Amino acid sequence: DVKVTQSSRYLVKRTGEKVFLECVQDMDHENMFWYRQDPGLGLRLIYFSYDVKMKEKGDIPEGYSVSREKKERFSLILESASTNQTSMYLCASSHDGPSSGREDTQYFGPGTRLTVL
Amino acid sequence: AQSVTQPDIHITVSEGASLELRCNYSYGATPYLFWYVQSPGQGLQLLLKYFSGDTLVQGIKGFEAEFKRSQSSFNLRKPSVHWSDAAEYFCAVGALVGKLVFGTGTRLLVSP
Repeated sequence: DVKVTQSSRYLVKRTGEKVFLECVQDMDHENMFWYRQDPGLGLRLIYFSYDVKMKEKGDIPEGYSVSREKKERFSLILESASTNQTSMYLCASSHDGPSSGREDTQYFGPGTRLTVL
Repeated sequence: AQSVTQPDIHITVSEGASLELRCNYSYGATPYLFWYVQSPGQGLQLLLKYFSGDTLVQGIKGFEAEFKRSQSSFNLRKPSVHWSDAAEYFCAVGALVGKLVFGTGTRLLVSP
């Protein structure tokens, strides 16, 4: 069965702290994604990765960085957390896109609700 | 650029009644279209997807969606809503190399 796990369901941090959100998938997917979800704004893409050690900026990368040292793991880093980064963070993974002949359905983890005080 | 519009922020339906959630997309080529559902405090679960072929797509939990190219729409339907269907529903269009663009979601409330 498809499985994407995130290290924490709930997290409370203080302004200025460095925050790590971890995501692991067990489906041997090439692609991994980090989104944040806010009421009325839907899901917005922060960063994504097509391969190990590769990363691409999404729509809202400011204040975030990512790391992908292994295929199954994709980390989101808040270098210096701020209150406007309080949000729900969702990780997803998928196989290569249609050009490779594989479907590109994204499978999501349960999310991490981060509160920055 | 790709975009998705879900015009209804909230919809309330009586249990047992039919449901239609609207989704309009903007994309230059043949789109890949998805509907996801999110229960409170949970991640997103795929309901159904359209890649090609038959424009009427069947999904899980009794949902279906119809792709209408002329209207740039991919509306989600269910003939009889159950209380457990109360959730938030997201439409998404597949963009370049696996990226998805999501709509802002429609929250479904089911009244007894």
